Amino acid sequence: DVKVTQSSRYLVKRTGEKVFLECVQDMDHENMFWYRQDPGLGLRLIYFSYDVKMKEKGDIPEGYSVSREKKERFSLILESASTNQTSMYLCASSTTGVYTEAFFGQGTRLTVV
Amino acid sequence: KNEVEQSPQNLTAQEGEFITINCSYSVGISALHWLQQHPGGGIVSLFMLSSGKKKHGRLIATINIQEKHSSLHITASHPRDSAVYICAVRFTGNQFYFGTGTSLTVIP
Repeated sequence: DVKVTQSSRYLVKRTGEKVFLECVQDMDHENMFWYRQDPGLGLRLIYFSYDVKMKEKGDIPEGYSVSREKKERFSLILESASTNQTSMYLCASSTTGVYTEAFFGQGTRLTVV
Repeated sequence: KNEVEQSPQNLTAQEGEFITINCSYSVGISALHWLQQHPGGGIVSLFMLSSGKKKHGRLIATINIQEKHSSLHITASHPRDSAVYICAVRFTGNQFYFGTGTSLTVIP
């Protein structure tokens, strides 16, 4: 079974802190994604990566950066956390090709106080 | 504007009822996915469709490419089916586009 693991289920951080969310997948997938999920808005793409050291902005990249130094690991960085970044963050991975599934991590519920 | 529309947004059903969740999309797609998210956050893939119909247990998914519409049906619903159901599509390339989800509650 494909496993996508996010480093934390719940996080509470203070405004202005630098926050790292880590995601690791074990199936050698090329593509990895970071989404945030908010009530009524669904999943919105923050960044995705289609290869090591490659990244593309999604729909809402402002206030976030990412890092992909190894194929299995994709990190989301909040440079200076703000209260409007309180959300559920979901990582996903997939192989390349339009007929492939996305596999999701369990999510990280981040609260910024 | 979200290119994937789901309805209804919320749905409450009695145990045993037949349930239908709908998904419409705006342009031609390569594949459509139905996902399930239980309380606590984790998302699992139920179906991937590019045409026709698929069945898994009490779940049935259909897609009409010409009408740009898909439905997820649950027969003989059960409280353990309570979850958020999400429709997602891939147009071209590697990105997924998601509906806002349908929150289903099945009452015993």
